[in-house]
Amino acid sequence: KAGVTQTPRYLIKTRGQQVTLSCSPISGHRSVSWYQQTPGQGLQFLFEYFSETQRNKGNFPGRFSGRQFSNSRSEMNVSTLELGDSALYLCASSSTGPSSYEQYFGPGTRLTVT
Amino acid sequence: AQTVTQSQPEMSVQEAETVTLSCTYDTSENNYYLFWYKQPPSRQMILVIRQEAYKQQNATENRFSVNFQKAAKSFSLKISDSQLGDTAMYFCAFMRIQGAQKLVFGQGTRLTINP
Repeated sequence: KAGVTQTPRYLIKTRGQQVTLSCSPISGHRSVSWYQQTPGQGLQFLFEYFSETQRNKGNFPGRFSGRQFSNSRSEMNVSTLELGDSALYLCASSSTGPSSYEQYFGPGTRLTVT
Repeated sequence: AQTVTQSQPEMSVQEAETVTLSCTYDTSENNYYLFWYKQPPSRQMILVIRQEAYKQQNATENRFSVNFQKAAKSFSLKISDSQLGDTAMYFCAFMRIQGAQKLVFGQGTRLTINP
């Protein structure tokens, strides 16, 4: 099976702009979670989607949003970008079977805000 | 809220040695999952090993094994016969059984295997 894919891999944006990141889960996986990784804050949970519904959201401002499509692909959007949004954004997917708690990560999208 | 603490920011050992990475966590839950993830310099996060809290037997995956002490809320990772390819950041993570798929990560340990 193909792994989790994320596009784009690298992105440079200017403060105030908005950005959309995409994640395609492993085939058959219906849960998609997003994490932000920064040197200062480490890995922090953004949100999780299952069957097109957001099941949980981390402690991030409303500028961070996401959605999931019927094919389980997910997108996250960050509006009004700030310098502090520069980070590696990781997407992870998991199945619904006995190992549904195992998350498999994509390579990440490196976002740089200037 | 759950917290995960990795007290060793960096470790360095020689190839073929055994190394143990420490992790402690805090939770009021009785059933949960614990994980060790590896993030090599290429940045792809890889699941190394998992442990279900309701299982007393420590998990083992080839050269990787854990020492799970539930009462002490400790979850250490032992890497035997370390290899150059084990060089990476290692993250300990916690997940509740109930509710959404949300991993709570420690700050990570940077492990370097020297030739």
